[in-house]
Amino acid sequence: AQTVTQSQPEMSVQEAETVTLSCTYDTSESDYYLFWYKQPPSRQMILVIRQEAYKQQNATENRFSVNFQKAAKSFSLKISDSQLGDAAMYFCAYRSEMTQGGSEKLVFGKGTKLTVNP
Amino acid sequence: DTGVSQDPRHKITKRGQNVTFRCDPISEHNRLYWYRQTLGQGPEFLTYFQNEAQLEKSRLLSDRFSAERPKGSFSTLEIQRTEQGDSAMYLCASSLGSFRYGYTFGSGTRLTVV
Repeated sequence: AQTVTQSQPEMSVQEAETVTLSCTYDTSESDYYLFWYKQPPSRQMILVIRQEAYKQQNATENRFSVNFQKAAKSFSLKISDSQLGDAAMYFCAYRSEMTQGGSEKLVFGKGTKLTVNP
Repeated sequence: DTGVSQDPRHKITKRGQNVTFRCDPISEHNRLYWYRQTLGQGPEFLTYFQNEAQLEKSRLLSDRFSAERPKGSFSTLEIQRTEQGDSAMYLCASSLGSFRYGYTFGSGTRLTVV
C-alpha cells in the first residue's frame, strides 16, 4: 500500500519570503500522480499543484513550484513571495495511474500547518 | 455551477442514532468520492462511485456505513448506530476522472457524536 509522509507538522514564514514544505512517499508503482492541496481554516480543500510521475520537469503554478525527485520519492512544495492568504494546512497526496488498474483514491499525508507572519 | 455542495455543514447527534449526509457533485462529474478527516489528520478514503456504481470501498467503511448514488447524481452517506469514534469531518469530492481535471472538494459535514 502507498503511504505519504509529511515530516513537518508546522512551519512558519515571513510575508514575502520563501518556504519549502516536505513530502515523501512510498510506492512500488512506476506511474502515479502527486498533488499538493491547501485547506484554509474552516474552508474547503483546494488543489494547489499536481505532478505526473513520468514527467521529469517540475510543475509550477505562479508562486508555487515543486521539487520532484522520483528516485528519492520526494515531492516538496516551494512557496515564493509568501502572502498572508497562504496560511493554511497543506496536504501532500498520491494517486495511482488508473490505466494500470490502480485505485482512484487519493492517499494523503497528515499535513503541514503553515503560518505566515506579517 | 457552484461546485460541490454538502449538507448539512454541521451535525450533532447522540450516540446510537443514525445520521445521513448528502453530497451534490459538480453536474458533469461522473466520479464521486467520500473521505473522512479527523482532527490533525489528512483525509482518509472511504468509498467512490463512477456514475451510480460503487467501485471501491475502504476497510474503514464498516457495516454501519452505507453510501449510495442513485441515478449517478447526488450521493448520500449514512452512518447507523453512531459511535463517538465516528466524530469527524466527512468530505465529498467529485471529478471527471481524468488527472487533468483533478478533484473538487466540498466544504464537508462536521459530525459530532455526544
